[in-house]
Amino acid sequence: SSELTQDPAVSVALGQTVRITCQGDSLRSYYASWYQQKPGQAPVFVIYGKNKRPSGIPDRFSGSSSGNTASLTITGAQAEDEADYYCNSRDTSGNHLVFGGGTKLTVL
Amino acid sequence: EVQLVESGGGLVQPGGSLRLSCVASGFSVSSNFMNWVRQAPGKGLEWVASMYSSGSTYYADSVKGRFSISRDNSKNTLYLQMNSLRAEDTAVYYCAREREWESSDLFAPPYYGMDVWGQGTTVTVSS
Repeated sequence: SSELTQDPAVSVALGQTVRITCQGDSLRSYYASWYQQKPGQAPVFVIYGKNKRPSGIPDRFSGSSSGNTASLTITGAQAEDEADYYCNSRDTSGNHLVFGGGTKLTVL
Repeated sequence: EVQLVESGGGLVQPGGSLRLSCVASGFSVSSNFMNWVRQAPGKGLEWVASMYSSGSTYYADSVKGRFSISRDNSKNTLYLQMNSLRAEDTAVYYCAREREWESSDLFAPPYYGMDVWGQGTTVTVSS
């Protein structure tokens, strides 16, 4: 198996840009997907693959990947973006999934 | 409407068993990758088990040998049978559909993502 590492907490001023990163060996072989989770709610799928957004996700959310690092960028963060964000990918075997520990985003 | 609805959670003593159900609507469980993901109180998401459309199953090391994922195609329902439960299994359990998309880049791996999630069902293991 493999691990994905995220910063536990990040903050951003309202309207500014923030990048949340995820590191792990499996990201050299598989793209990350990203999930937003607000308190008491199920996760919401926000980014996958090479910067793909599911239907209904605002275009201020974008993704990128380089080497063993995947990033989720929010350009012009809004108050409603305050949430926990998790990255996820297949592990190096390809058959198991792995989540990052999550990043708590605070919008100031 | 595409939807997943979990049920079956509750309070169980250590060493006990519980079976969770996840009823799908708007799509076929048997034609998709399906996952169980859990979240312990105040903690992050943890992958638990997967079932592929082929019927292949995979488990996290923390539950292997104790949990079993299965499906009933006639009921369009995914299950998680949990045996020998421990306090550390206490969590909200979510089922999620995982999709696969072909990459736009030649030789690149496919894209994966869990695009539909249930609302979760709570399992508490305590005496």
